[in-house]
Amino acid sequence: EVQLVESGGGLVKPGGSLRLSCAASGFTFSSYSMNWVRQAPGKGLEWVSSISSSSSYIYYADSVKGRFTISRDNAKNSLYLQMNSLRAEDTAVYYCARDSAGMAMDVWGQGTTVTVSS
Amino acid sequence: QSVLTQPPSVSGAPGQRVTISCTGSSSNIGAGYDVHWYQQLPGTAPKLLIYGNSNRPSGVPDRFSGSKSGTSASLAITGLQAEDEADYYCQSYDSSLSAVFGGGTKLTVL
Repeated sequence: EVQLVESGGGLVKPGGSLRLSCAASGFTFSSYSMNWVRQAPGKGLEWVSSISSSSSYIYYADSVKGRFTISRDNAKNSLYLQMNSLRAEDTAVYYCARDSAGMAMDVWGQGTTVTVSS
Repeated sequence: QSVLTQPPSVSGAPGQRVTISCTGSSSNIGAGYDVHWYQQLPGTAPKLLIYGNSNRPSGVPDRFSGSKSGTSASLAITGLQAEDEADYYCQSYDSSLSAVFGGGTKLTVL
């Protein structure tokens, strides 16, 4: 079964850091670009970052550029998001999502919740 | 404010047809990037509903269809069912190869 499972969310103080992980299974992880997408409470979806299959191409939303770092370990079938200098507005459910060949996000994890509050 | 514009809500009675619009610009949809649609049922992760403007993944009923023209796209749902009540999001890319989403549309089945 194709599956993505996020972990690493939690409560963190403003200015703090957190590292999210996404474990992939059931497909050849190294062949796919991956994304992080977040959803603030009661709000819509916001794309955060994407990384190509070999990590050659990396993109960030302006809202997180310079604070978040996306990475992957194809040997471990894992995607990561290092989040630094966290702000209250980063509070959201964070999803990892696979890019299909047509650049649609065809597989999503269940999400992990990040709460930034003092 | 989202890059792609969707109506906040639409509604329809069971069996009816509804459409959800997604309006972009010359730097995203109008630049030729495909539009994809996602369905998010309450309390769950988004699910891919339509990809490449008008294609349905395996398992998605043919009651759902998509189209694209110029700088806009549309999702149509025919034969509305209670289980279709959900939030719907369009998504494309912009010229910087950043993914962009619409603000989402809440579908209410009356």
